[in-house]
Amino acid sequence: QVQLQESGPGLVKPSETLSLTCAVSGYSISSAYYWGWIRQPPGKGLEWLGTVYHSGSTYYNPSLPPLNSRVTISVDTSKNQFSLKLSSVTAADTAVYYCARSLYSGGFSYFDYWGQGTLVTVSS
Amino acid sequence: QSALTQPASVSGSPGQSITISCTGTSSDVGGYNSVSWYQQHPGKAPKLVIYDVNSRPSGVSNRFSGSKSGNTASLTISGLQAEDEADYYCSSHRRDLAVVFGGGTKLTVV
Repeated sequence: QVQLQESGPGLVKPSETLSLTCAVSGYSISSAYYWGWIRQPPGKGLEWLGTVYHSGSTYYNPSLPPLNSRVTISVDTSKNQFSLKLSSVTAADTAVYYCARSLYSGGFSYFDYWGQGTLVTVSS
Repeated sequence: QSALTQPASVSGSPGQSITISCTGTSSDVGGYNSVSWYQQHPGKAPKLVIYDVNSRPSGVSNRFSGSKSGNTASLTISGLQAEDEADYYCSSHRRDLAVVFGGGTKLTVV
């Protein structure tokens, strides 16, 4: 059974860097799937942040500058996990952050397994 | 403003069918068969209910079906049940190697 679990601080101060890790179990992160981060501000919809492949190739949301210049996603195959860093956070970055497994088949096809999500609040 | 347009809300009675639309452009929905739909209950993570326009993951009820015409994809839920009340999001691959979501539709079973 594939399981994903987000971890990281639930409270981050403005202007600091938000760092989250997604631990994957039941499936090797080095196999054929991609791994993504999606967030959801309170009461709002889903927003794709980016996706990483085990080779280290990354794909970021180009539609929300300067968001894409603040986002860094990386993968650690030795620990079977991947990570998200979001720099210079503001209150607008307060959201539930999800990690998820993604298939690429002629395009980014779908997210089939999701973590439970972790609420990150940006506040001093 | 979301990249894909969905109605904010739809409603239906138990046993009825409803359809939720998802409108994009030829750079996303219209150009790829990578349209997926997610069901999200309050406080829970999204759950994949349709992928690749009209395929159902194992374990998802056959009351859920998907289709696409041009730049608009649709999710149909037949035989509405109280447990179907949730938020629904569509998603698509976009030409610039991105993933785009719709703004979400709140389904109320009245």
